[in-house]
Order: sequence, then structure tokens, then C-alpha cells
Amino acid sequence: DAKTTQPPSMDCAEGRAANLPCNHSTISGNEYVYWYRQIHSQGPQYIIHGLKNNETNEMASLIITEDRKSSTLILPHATLRDTAVYYCIVRNTGNQFYFGTGTSLTVIP
Amino acid sequence: GAGVSQSPRYKVAKRGQDVALRCDPISGHVSLFWYQQALGQGPEFLTYFQNEAQLDKSGLPSDRFFAERPEGSVSTLKIQRTQQEDSAVYLCASGDRGAFFGQGTRLTVV
Repeated sequence: DAKTTQPPSMDCAEGRAANLPCNHSTISGNEYVYWYRQIHSQGPQYIIHGLKNNETNEMASLIITEDRKSSTLILPHATLRDTAVYYCIVRNTGNQFYFGTGTSLTVIP
Repeated sequence: GAGVSQSPRYKVAKRGQDVALRCDPISGHVSLFWYQQALGQGPEFLTYFQNEAQLDKSGLPSDRFFAERPEGSVSTLKIQRTQQEDSAVYLCASGDRGAFFGQGTRLTVV
């Protein structure tokens, strides 16, 4: 399985962009990168996913490097409600989602 | 329903007791996943269904854990002879391209 590496914690000022990095150097060619977040006492929430092209939706943007060994999740205008643990996941061919320990993002007023 | 529903939301079991946790996936979703999340950790994969077929159960920690999805919709995770180390939040997810998670069942074994 391709594993991911994320910083354990990050802070971001409210209203600024939050850029969350992830390394997945052993990713295979057909494995997608997924991002989820988990707010305390809730189930993980799907944010975005991609294969090799950059992706954008109403929640965030996903930037994947050309060699696919790393990616960055961008929350363009962070709010206090974006405080959560963010998981970068590579979905393997067996359909498992390996979560790791994620990045705890704190948005500061 | 609009989302994945899990019940009960909370369960306290005495050590040695059997428990059954229910998951109602989003209607029409073929794929269903169970995860276990210990306090302060990320969710860990338990098992995966495609319709009624259990295609991967490699994450089940012991033979005390059993999951089924007999009609390809509702799924039940059963834990026999619960132990204290089984205390965790059990998450169910359904979906194909992505996985949509329920709120989880918090199991406490005392």
C-alpha cells in the first residue's frame, strides 16, 4: 500500500489560505489521492480526490505534483469551522483507505 | 436516507458480551466499508463489501469480529466476547469513487 506522510499539526489565520502538504512517494500509477477531514466526534467527511490533474470543487483545491509523489490541499479562505484533522489518503487497488494520523489544522481568529 | 446511518450511536458492553452494530448505507451504493478508530488515531480499515460479497476482511483484528451484508444494503458488524481493547469508534462508509461516512458507533467495553 502507498502510505502518506503529513505534518502532525498546522495553524492558519482565519480568512487566509490553508495549504496542507502530503507526501506519497510510493504511490502507484493507478492509485488516486483522496482528502478527508474529521471534525471532533463526527465521521470523516470527503473533501476532494484526484489522479494526476489538479482538481477544484466548492470546498477546496487539490494540487498534485507532476511526479505524483506529493500533493497539497488548499482551503482558499479558511474559517473557524475548518478546524479539523485532515487526512491525505491513497486508495489502493483493494479499495482500502489508509488514513494515517493526519494533520490537525487549527484556524485562528 | 440522505446519508450513512449507524446505530446505536453509543454502546456500553460488559467484557465478554456480544455486540451488533448496524450500518444503513446510502441507497444504491454498491461499496460498503467498516473502519475502527481508536482514540487519537486515524480510522483503520476492517472490511469491505461489494453488494453482498465480502471482498476484503483483512483488517478484522480477530475471529471475534464478523461482518455481514446479506442483501447488499444494510450491514452488521458483530463482535463476540468483547474485550476492553475493542473500545473504539466503529465507522461505516458507503460509496464508490469516494466514501461517505456515518457518524460512527462509540463502543465502550467495561
